[in-house]
Amino acid sequence: AAGVIQSPRHLIKEKRETATLKCYPIPRHDTVYWYQQGPGQDPQFLISFYEKMQSDKGSIPDRFSAQQFSDYHSELNMSSLELGDSALYFCASSKWVGGSSYEQYFGPGTRLTVT
Amino acid sequence: DAKTTQPNSMESNEEEPVHLPCNHSTISGTDYIHWYRQLPSQGPEYVIHGLTSNVNNRMASLAIAEDRKSSTLILHRATLRDAAVYYCILRDVGANFGNEKLTFGTGTRLTIIP
Repeated sequence: AAGVIQSPRHLIKEKRETATLKCYPIPRHDTVYWYQQGPGQDPQFLISFYEKMQSDKGSIPDRFSAQQFSDYHSELNMSSLELGDSALYFCASSKWVGGSSYEQYFGPGTRLTVT
Repeated sequence: DAKTTQPNSMESNEEEPVHLPCNHSTISGTDYIHWYRQLPSQGPEYVIHGLTSNVNNRMASLAIAEDRKSSTLILHRATLRDAAVYYCILRDVGANFGNEKLTFGTGTRLTIIP
């Protein structure tokens, strides 16, 4: 079965540079979530999109922005990168069925290293 | 989101059952109990969820207390591949479209002893 695809899998950037992370949800899934997991920490919700509209927002820095495109893929744009942005970034997708989406399916993550 | 409490770590022998507890004393009537796990170097993975009744699937069983203030994830026969961090998460079934983020707590790190 198709899974969530994230690219790139690894990314190395320098401080103050920009980065773009991409997420391709499972076909026919209508909701995308972004999570950040710092070293030794638990995943933290950043932002979500339902049917291409932002649906919820967590502790996402103003330097970050995201969108969901007409083909449902999503991109997380990160500017003015800081050392503290080094983390694993997970994308998850789900499908709204009968009042709830129940399961979120996670991608393998993008490991961002800021030097 | 209502808070859950789990032990930081547990150990179990391979091929034995494992019972992972979770306390959620402030659970509301519309909160589903979800379990996810995260294997090393991988994204979180859905395990099981339930509302009031006990649930079984190919991965595990979920036993929910009658008052819903606690639940237990049961792995019937642990393998080395089950070594992971297990998260117990409450999700409001009445949430809006696309507004069903997962709020991860500390989770339980399960170690399987060969």
